Amino acid sequence: EAQVTQNPRYLITVTGKKLTVTCSQNMNHEYMSWYRQDPGLGLRQIYYSMNVEVTDKGDVPEGYKVSRKEKRNFPLILESPSPNQTSLYFCASSPRGRMNTEAFFGQGTRLTVV
Amino acid sequence: KNEVEQSPQNLTAQEGEFITINCSYSVGISALHWLQQHPGGGIVSLFMLSSGKKKHGRLIATINIQEKHSSLHITASHPRDSAVYICAVRFNPGWSGGGADGLTFGKGTHLIIQP
Repeated sequence: EAQVTQNPRYLITVTGKKLTVTCSQNMNHEYMSWYRQDPGLGLRQIYYSMNVEVTDKGDVPEGYKVSRKEKRNFPLILESPSPNQTSLYFCASSPRGRMNTEAFFGQGTRLTVV
Repeated sequence: KNEVEQSPQNLTAQEGEFITINCSYSVGISALHWLQQHPGGGIVSLFMLSSGKKKHGRLIATINIQEKHSSLHITASHPRDSAVYICAVRFNPGWSGGGADGLTFGKGTHLIIQP
């Protein structure tokens, strides 16, 4: 089954404790992206990747890192999480270079930083 | 700044009613997506449009490129259609203030269909 898989689905952590949210897709998609969703603000892009070893900042990249060492995986790293990073996070992928084709989303990761 | 506006923000209707959700955007786009988000949180892509009209079951999506407007219609609505519907666009590259590559999202329409 074609899918984007995020882990974990839920995470509660403390301020400053490094964490990684994994994202994996099994569709051989070139484009992958991370978004956060906050009440009243909607979804906003954090980082994106056009292909292996090619990543770039989105609209709200501060406090986040990503890597794209393999085509299928695009982890989101919070080196020192803070409470303002409490949010619902989504990973997405798309077959070609940009979101001009169908987008596939993961199930989301609800992160709470206390 | 490029923006995506959705209306209405909230909509409650009776089962069987015809539903319309609107999306307008500020500048030229290369693609428009309609997404559905159920209370559990996951997002599902319903349609991707660059022109014209698409239909899938009871769902119909249309786009008018000249007017910079899209609509999502649900015919014979059912309580299981209750969800948040989100419009997202990819703005044409080169527009100033377009922000980073990827999708720009509307704030969503919260739809409740009552039995």
